[in-house]
Amino acid sequence: GAVVSQHPSWVICKSGTSVKIECRSLDFQATTMFWYRQFPKQSLMLMATSNEGSKATYEQGVEKDKFLINHASLTLSTLTVTSAHPEDSSFYICSGGDRRNSNQPQHFGDGTRLSIL
Amino acid sequence: GQQLNQSPQSMFIQEGEDVSMNCTSSSIFNTWLWYKQDPGEGPVLLIALYKAGELTSNGRLTAQFGITRKDSFLNISASIPSDVGIYFCAGFRPSNTGKLIFGQGTTLQVKP
Repeated sequence: GAVVSQHPSWVICKSGTSVKIECRSLDFQATTMFWYRQFPKQSLMLMATSNEGSKATYEQGVEKDKFLINHASLTLSTLTVTSAHPEDSSFYICSGGDRRNSNQPQHFGDGTRLSIL
Repeated sequence: GQQLNQSPQSMFIQEGEDVSMNCTSSSIFNTWLWYKQDPGEGPVLLIALYKAGELTSNGRLTAQFGITRKDSFLNISASIPSDVGIYFCAGFRPSNTGKLIFGQGTTLQVKP
């Protein structure tokens, strides 16, 4: 089945650091990628939709200057958490989908555990 | 944001028992999906449902797309310890442009 690779799986860094998370679709072309945030014992919350070759669409309440998204190719999207602070600590998960088949299931990466000290 | 109403929130059962969980919504959905998430990992797709009334099985798992298109259930038969995890329902609404809407999750614990 479709595979999405997310890297790194775990990051610990100091407050004020910017952190980049990569999401790659390994065996399909992901015209759309989705970035989620998940707090302990909660469901996934969609942060933004990343479209190849165009600007990302952010959900209400998500700061686009704080969470920079780039989707430069059909197999790679990146999320950069700029000037991270302890409250940004969370589990970030990406998923890939083919916009030409918008009702096909999304396939998720294994997530990135971000801890800001 | 909008979520599906998923229940129960958690279950603690004995190995070998059957499990049932469901999701409901006030709005219709085009597609219902059931995912399982293990600790520290991303969700893994278990079953996808595309038509109202559809009943689909995947091993010991069975899921159905409700006739009204506003609900779905997932059954797990003869549970085993590796069934432990968080189960999420998710769906696409007709106007969603590919965005998934998630339920709150059902945490399943299985006692050997």
